[in-house]
Amino acid sequence: QSALTQPASVSGSPGQSITISCTGTSSDVGSYNLVSWYQQHPGKAPKLMIYEVSKRPSGVSNRFSGSKSGNTASLTISGLQAEDEADYYCCSYAGSSSWGVFGGGTKLTVL
Amino acid sequence: QVQLQESGPGLVKPSETLSLTCTVSGGSISSYYWSWIRQPPGKGLEWIGYIYYSGSTNYNPSLKSRVTISVDASKNQFSLKLSSVTAADTAIYYCARDREEYQLLFAFQHWGQGTLVTVSS
Repeated sequence: QSALTQPASVSGSPGQSITISCTGTSSDVGSYNLVSWYQQHPGKAPKLMIYEVSKRPSGVSNRFSGSKSGNTASLTISGLQAEDEADYYCCSYAGSSSWGVFGGGTKLTVL
Repeated sequence: QVQLQESGPGLVKPSETLSLTCTVSGGSISSYYWSWIRQPPGKGLEWIGYIYYSGSTNYNPSLKSRVTISVDASKNQFSLKLSSVTAADTAIYYCARDREEYQLLFAFQHWGQGTLVTVSS
């Protein structure tokens, strides 16, 4: 069971938009619309930001959006704010042989 | 608002069994999927396995031979046992709940604060 592939780091200036990619295979991201994204600040538990590829839980800013194309899912954060600086993880259902798989995580730096 | 709290030993000896319990408050354990997820210090998240309130389970294939997850609905708790631990099992262990009743979405809406378990003699 291989982890989903994310860039180790991304950065952007306040007000800009950034996109974090999450690349899987046809056995996970490519086959199911069960991709979720999590934000994790240092020393804290992860927080659900996006589920089922593009749905936002209540209370999550609409600056966060998700999408998917083929085997790659993406998280876009628009209007970057200092508080968005955190680690971000994607997760996908991977079928009944592997079940759940996370990405390796991406550190977002707000310059 | 549902809350989850992990409990258990913070130090386990190599080759022994790691045992943790997650206590759910503010809501029933019924109708949901409950997962264990871990994070080695400074590293990424790894899904360990889930249990449905009815007792059905599924595990990460890489850990399947060593993992058992069980539920005690009368206590609103579910538990993790990981056998034959090594230093590689040192991690923060989180319990988490999927967001929708009766559905396995791998959308972990609710998390415990996490508990650090160190494997060392």
